[in-house]
Amino acid sequence: SQKIEQNSEALNIQEGKTATLTCNYTNYSPAYLQWYRQDPGRGPVFLLLIRENEKEKRKERLKVTFDTTLKQSLFHITASQPADSATYLCARDNNNDMRFGAGTRLTVKP
Amino acid sequence: NAGVTQTPKFQVLKTGQSMTLQCAQDMNHNSMYWYRQDPGMGLRLIYYSASEGTTDKGEVPNGYNVSRLNKREFSLRLESAAPSQTSVYFCASGGAGSFTDTQYFGPGTRLTVL
Repeated sequence: SQKIEQNSEALNIQEGKTATLTCNYTNYSPAYLQWYRQDPGRGPVFLLLIRENEKEKRKERLKVTFDTTLKQSLFHITASQPADSATYLCARDNNNDMRFGAGTRLTVKP
Repeated sequence: NAGVTQTPKFQVLKTGQSMTLQCAQDMNHNSMYWYRQDPGMGLRLIYYSASEGTTDKGEVPNGYNVSRLNKREFSLRLESAAPSQTSVYFCASGGAGSFTDTQYFGPGTRLTVL
């Protein structure tokens, strides 16, 4: 089956450090991947989209990479802050629908 | 701009009851989507509508029906609710009617089926 997996259910880091979240996919090569942020009790909010022909994309303190050989995307938050604490979801196109990972819950401790 | 709105916010049903979840968007988007989110499973697509007048099944359509009433509104109906349908339901909309678009999500409806 075509899966998208986020390896860590939870990640705890210290304020100021770089958080790195991983998204792996199998059995299908998506044309792009998206990353979303979700706060408790709220709907996901779009952060970044990266296409298969882009190796890296940045937005402020966020950076996403897309490695089609490893079938993996990495999501980095540099100089992390307690306000970055949330669940982060990756998603990929899947022909006629979207598949989301289960998410990684990031906690940034002051 | 309200974005994507969903009603109700919370609902408790008994097994076998029916209900309709309502969704509306004011961003003039062509595509709209219904997802369910369960612990440890992530978001799963139930149905989507790439444009007004069209609907298609997603990953988990069984037990649900949808109606794209007009460009703004997309409803999800449970004809005979089952405990397995206890979940948080999210509606989303996107611009061009393809999955390459950013999706904008509503606040969710938390449904419990007893």
